[in-house]
Amino acid sequence: DTAVSQTPKYLVTQMGNDKSIKCEQNLGHDTMYWYKQDSKKFLKIMFSYNNKELIINETVPNRFSPKSPDKAHLNLHINSLELGDSAVYFCASSQLGGGETQYFGPGTRLLVL
Amino acid sequence: GNSVTQMEGPVTLSEEAFLTINCTYTATGYPSLFWYVQYPGEGLQLLLKATKADDKGSNKGFEATYRKETTSFHLEKGSVQVSDSAVYFCALQSRTGNQFYFGTGTSLTVIP
Repeated sequence: DTAVSQTPKYLVTQMGNDKSIKCEQNLGHDTMYWYKQDSKKFLKIMFSYNNKELIINETVPNRFSPKSPDKAHLNLHINSLELGDSAVYFCASSQLGGGETQYFGPGTRLLVL
Repeated sequence: GNSVTQMEGPVTLSEEAFLTINCTYTATGYPSLFWYVQYPGEGLQLLLKATKADDKGSNKGFEATYRKETTSFHLEKGSVQVSDSAVYFCALQSRTGNQFYFGTGTSLTVIP
């Protein structure tokens, strides 16, 4: 069983389009995250939700909007895609609290043309 | 503020060589420290962690000790294998659990 899954795995789209990435975890965790990894492997946290409530919202363009319908799902919607949005997006989950391990999904490779 | 500084790569070693990847941090309070590994084409996975000073995390032959006096969490392995080729990330998590900082990652290639 996959612990943290993301769909799609690959996403190629044109500038200006709107796209969504879905994430689901079956670990029973109460906290989920979205990260962006650029071509140099630099990893930056974007958002974090705990029990469907936003707890971390880093400096991210408001074209990015997370949505958590329940604590097992955290989706990422991106409006008006730009070339600079091309990256690998990782979803992760954990229990909330210091020292808790994060479990990462396999990533969604987004390419904006 | 909190931050993690990690040794820059890439690092290339021969099989059975000794590995050290340096990681230092700045933090308020007493954070938890982690090493995550990312194999090609995959997501990150936990390699080891330490949640308080002087704790040693270990897994798969890798070790790191939480040194409060030097604010460091260096990753070591006595004898690397080709299968250890990956990108290694040092990470810090605040005591409350709601702040995370990753290092820039160190790419390791082990050649036979």
